[in-house]
Amino acid sequence: AQSVTQLDSQVPVFEEAPVELRCNYSSSVSVYLFWYVQYPNQGLQLLLKYLSGSTLVKGINGFEAEFNKSQTSFHLRKPSVHISDTAEYFCAVHILTGGGNKLTFGTGTQLKVEL
Amino acid sequence: ETGVTQSPTHLIKTRGQQVTLRCSSQSGHNTVSWYQQALGQGPQFIFQYYREEENGRGNFPPRFSGLQFPNYSSELNVNALELDDSALYLCASSPGSSPHGYTFGSGTRLTVV
Repeated sequence: AQSVTQLDSQVPVFEEAPVELRCNYSSSVSVYLFWYVQYPNQGLQLLLKYLSGSTLVKGINGFEAEFNKSQTSFHLRKPSVHISDTAEYFCAVHILTGGGNKLTFGTGTQLKVEL
Repeated sequence: ETGVTQSPTHLIKTRGQQVTLRCSSQSGHNTVSWYQQALGQGPQFIFQYYREEENGRGNFPPRFSGLQFPNYSSELNVNALELDDSALYLCASSPGSSPHGYTFGSGTRLTVV
C-alpha cells in the first residue's frame, strides 16, 4: 500500500527566510507527485507537480520541489518566504499502476511565517 | 472560465439524518472526484464519477453514494450520518479520469451533532 509521510506537522519561519517542507512516499512502482496549498476556509490549489523529466520542478509563488527517487522524497522549498505563504501544505501521490484514479495525501504541514 | 462551485458552504445536521452536497464542475471537465478532509488530516478519496458512472471508490461505506448528471455536475449523498462524518468535503473536477488536472472547489463544511 502506498503512503505519504509529511514529517513536520508545523514549521515556523521568519519572513524572508528559506523554508523546506519534507515529504516522503512509499511505493514500489512509478508515481506522480504533487504539492497543494490550502488557505483557511478554502479548497486546494496546485503548487506544482512531477510527472516526468527534470527532477527539479518549479511551481507557482516561487516554490520548487525536487524528486529524489533513491530517497523516495519530494521536498518543497522556497528561498525566501512571505507572510502570505502562511497556509497548510499537502504532499500527494498518484500511483501509476493499481492505484486507481485518485490522489493519496499526506497529513499536511502548517507553515507559519512570522515577522 | 468558471471554476468549481460547491454548495452549501456550511451545514449542520443531526446524527442519523441524511445530507446531499452539490458540486458544479469547471467548464470542459467531465469528471468529478469527491474527498473527505477531517480536521487536521489530509483529504481522503471517496469516489470518482466519469461520464455519469462511478469510476473508482475509496474505503468508504455504502451509505456514501453519489450521482453525476449529464452536465457533469455531481452530488454526494450521505445517509445515516455519524458524528465522525463531520469534515470538509471537497469536490475536484478534471478534464478526464486522471487526477493530474484537478481543480478543487472550496468545499462544504459538514458538522454532525
